[in-house]
Amino acid sequence: EEHLVESGGALVESGGSLRLSCATSGFSFSNGWLSWVRQPPGKGLEWVGRIKSKINGGTTDYAAPVKGRFTISRDDSESTLFLQMNSLKTEDTAVYFCATVRWGGAYDLHYWGQGTLVTVSS
Amino acid sequence: QSVLTQPPSVSAAPGQKVTISCSGSSSNIGNNYVSWYQQLPGTAPKLLIYDNHNRPSGIPDRFSGSKSGTSATLGITGLQTGDEADYYCGTWDSSLTAVLFGGGTKLTVL
Repeated sequence: EEHLVESGGALVESGGSLRLSCATSGFSFSNGWLSWVRQPPGKGLEWVGRIKSKINGGTTDYAAPVKGRFTISRDDSESTLFLQMNSLKTEDTAVYFCATVRWGGAYDLHYWGQGTLVTVSS
Repeated sequence: QSVLTQPPSVSAAPGQKVTISCSGSSSNIGNNYVSWYQQLPGTAPKLLIYDNHNRPSGIPDRFSGSKSGTSATLGITGLQTGDEADYYCGTWDSSLTAVLFGGGTKLTVL
C-alpha cells in the first residue's frame, strides 16, 4: 500500500528557509514522478511543482509564484522527496502535501500524504 | 482568481444527482486531460477521476467525468451525506507549463 508522510513544517520568519521531507513506501519510488501541492488556510489547492523520475531526466517544473525560490529534489536510495524553500514570504503559509503522479499519467495526483503546516510570520 | 472556474458551491438532497462544472481555455482543458479530486473536511485530497472520465480502482461508479471543448463536468449520482466535501478539477496548462486547479466547489447534501 502506498504511504507518504510529510515532515519539516514549522513557524519561520519572512525571508527565512525551510526544508520539507516526504518519506514514502509501498511503491517503486525511483520510477515515480512526484509533486508538491499546497493549501493556504481555508483556501483551495495550489500546485507547487513536480519532479520526474531519473529515467525520464529527473527534471523539475515549478509554479510561477515559487520559481527561483523553491527547489524539489529526490533521494531514490531513501525513497524520499524534498522541498527546499528559500526567501519565504507570508503568502507561502499553507499546508504542504506531497503526492505521487499517477502511474502512466503526467500530472494527475494519485496518492497523497497527510500534509505538513508551514507558517511564515512577518 | 483561478484560471479554472468552478462554482463555489452546489447542493442537492440525498439520493439525487449533482454536477460540478470546470471551465478553462484552449491552453489547459481544451488540449489536456482533466482530473477531479475530492477533499473531505480535514483530510488530504483523493483522486476521483483522471483522463477526463476514468476512475481509479476503488472509486464507485456513482462518480463520473466528462469533457467538451474547454469545459469539464463531474457528476455524482445517488448522493450520500458522506459525499459532502470540496471538489477540485485539475489539468495541465501548456502555456504556463504548470498544473492548474480550479478554485474548488463545496458540495452540501441537504
